[in-house]
Amino acid sequence: EDQVTQSPEALRLQEGESSSLNCSYTVSGLRGLFWYRQDPGKGPEFLFTLYSAGEEKEKERLKATLTKKESFLHITAPKPEDSATYLCAVQASGANSKLTFGKGITLSVRP
Amino acid sequence: DTAVSQTPKYLVTQMGNDKSIKCEQNLGHDTMYWYKQDSKKFLKIMFSYNNKELIINETVPNRFSPKSPDKAHLNLHINSLELGDSAVYFCASRNGGGSQYFGPGTRLTVL
Repeated sequence: EDQVTQSPEALRLQEGESSSLNCSYTVSGLRGLFWYRQDPGKGPEFLFTLYSAGEEKEKERLKATLTKKESFLHITAPKPEDSATYLCAVQASGANSKLTFGKGITLSVRP
Repeated sequence: DTAVSQTPKYLVTQMGNDKSIKCEQNLGHDTMYWYKQDSKKFLKIMFSYNNKELIINETVPNRFSPKSPDKAHLNLHINSLELGDSAVYFCASRNGGGSQYFGPGTRLTVL
């Protein structure tokens, strides 16, 4: 069965203090790895899709990377508005395979 | 402009009642999903439809019945509501690259 483990569960950073969020996964043939951001009371907001090891994607202060066993979401010089829960999900190969989500990492950035 | 919309946003009801949640997407996607997010924020897939056809049906009580009148709509009907059904329910739709886009969620409280 596909599994996704995210660590740490919660992370508190000072504004400007860069860090990384980890997503470890096991999947029977990776079709894609997905990162989402979820704010309290809202639906998950799509951030990135990574398809193969070595791939990287960037958006503002966020950069996602992928290896064969894990993905990292690097946050450079975070701001308080980056505070949210970050979710990682994997999709196995196969036309109708589902997304399997991790439990998320709650990030708090203090001004 | 809303991509994936759900109604209602909040639903408070008594045990034993029957209720429905509606979902619509204007992204032109063929595949739609229902997810349940429990109190620990863990997102778990319930159902998936592709072009009005059921393609994923996780182990969900048969009190839950999805209905897709067309590929832009996926509704969720729940019979005989139980306390354990209290959660946030999210609808999502998926593009050709596998990325899923979520609605704002429906918070269901069963008293």
